[in-house]
Amino acid sequence: DQQVKQNSPSLSVQEGRISILNCDYTNSMFDYFLWYKKYPAEGPTFLISISSIKDKNEDGRFTVFLNKSAKHLSLHIVPSQPGDSAVYFCAASDGWVQGAQKLVFGQGTRLTINP
Amino acid sequence: NAGVTQTPKFQVLKTGQSMTLQCAQDMNHEYMSWYRQDPGMGLRLIHYSVGAGITDQGEVPNGYNVSRSTTEDFPLRLLSAAPSQTSVYFCASSYYPPDETTFYGYTFGSGTRLTVV
Repeated sequence: DQQVKQNSPSLSVQEGRISILNCDYTNSMFDYFLWYKKYPAEGPTFLISISSIKDKNEDGRFTVFLNKSAKHLSLHIVPSQPGDSAVYFCAASDGWVQGAQKLVFGQGTRLTINP
Repeated sequence: NAGVTQTPKFQVLKTGQSMTLQCAQDMNHEYMSWYRQDPGMGLRLIHYSVGAGITDQGEVPNGYNVSRSTTEDFPLRLLSAAPSQTSVYFCASSYYPPDETTFYGYTFGSGTRLTVV
């Protein structure tokens, strides 16, 4: 039972255009959402997050949108750059429980930025 | 550099062998966890720890043991390796905020690629 789903295994975007990565979740108890970026042979690195009390969070070229009613979030990258080519993981959490904040990850989307 | 250090980076085991994947962090993080990454399945939680002496199971704990004797170290033990444990393993740690209203995300290690033949 996949609680966090990224239905697009791959996405190809031209340099300078907008990249939109999507993520759906099923657990209505999730209240914190994160995006991680992963390069080959490296661990995932934190990119941007959003709590359920917001519907948008921006950090430079990266914006995350949250639609709680649809249980959907998206990551927008504008403008896309070649260094953005990586695998992007969506993750969700239902908060701190007895000192633990367990993240549930999606399957990942491989983003390729073409020159 | 500060962060999460995993060793070894690569390992090949024969079915039935045992081994320990090492994980150490120098950020004084209370929370540590182990994930495995498999194609098409994302990262799945194996075991986690909220502090020294405290561990608990995640989503896919079978075949793995953990212990946490210090804040810094969180080793993952494979008791009797099976081909189904072929995967990339990531250790991650996180700071526990006093008020639980924030979450700074995990810091991940660079991973251990394990092949069981």
